[in-house]
Amino acid sequence: EPEVTQTPSHQVTQMGQEVILRCVPISNHLYFYWYRQILGQKVEFLVSFYNNEISEKSEIFDDQFSVERPDGSNFTLKIRSTKLEDSAMYFCASSVERENEQFFGPGTRLTVL
Amino acid sequence: AQTVTQSQPEMSVQEAETVTLSCTYDTSESDYYLFWYKQPPSRQMILVIRQEAYKQQNATENRFSVNFQKAAKSFSLKISDSQLGDAAMYFCAYRFQGNTPLVFGKGTRLSVIA
Repeated sequence: EPEVTQTPSHQVTQMGQEVILRCVPISNHLYFYWYRQILGQKVEFLVSFYNNEISEKSEIFDDQFSVERPDGSNFTLKIRSTKLEDSAMYFCASSVERENEQFFGPGTRLTVL
Repeated sequence: AQTVTQSQPEMSVQEAETVTLSCTYDTSESDYYLFWYKQPPSRQMILVIRQEAYKQQNATENRFSVNFQKAAKSFSLKISDSQLGDAAMYFCAYRFQGNTPLVFGKGTRLSVIA
């Protein structure tokens, strides 16, 4: 069964460093999302992406964040200068059509020291 | 803005018994989708069940069923014949139509007692 994959599963970085989180959505899906979950808290929306551009973004998704679909299969989230408060689980999700359910990847745990 | 409220931070159930997890939401829209996601210790988000607001019939998936009360904006999850593998965090989520993000509640941690 097709699934969303994410790499790495765990990323440890120093404050101020850049990180890139990678996702491979299900191959025929057209809509892509990033969510994050700070430990013990609810899942929060970051950004949605369709047709090579951002569809919607939340207040969390400031200038330090960017997304890209560089090669037609990967979907990346970049944090330019990480802060301690960026430590969280980051989930990628994709859906085949606008009205369909979103399938989540297993997440990347980001730890900023 | 839409909000989702789960008033039970923790619940427990005996194995083989039935448990109901509560969820209420606030929206001014008439057409939308509601979901329950399960998050086991691995932290993977797994879709349990989905309900379209325009459908009056409550969704059912094996041992999982919902009680959708549109007028009351209530969407509870019932787990029948609870199993040890059901132990997890359960998140209620709302989504408007189209390419819109999911709005999650804070979750309910379910423990299953053998």
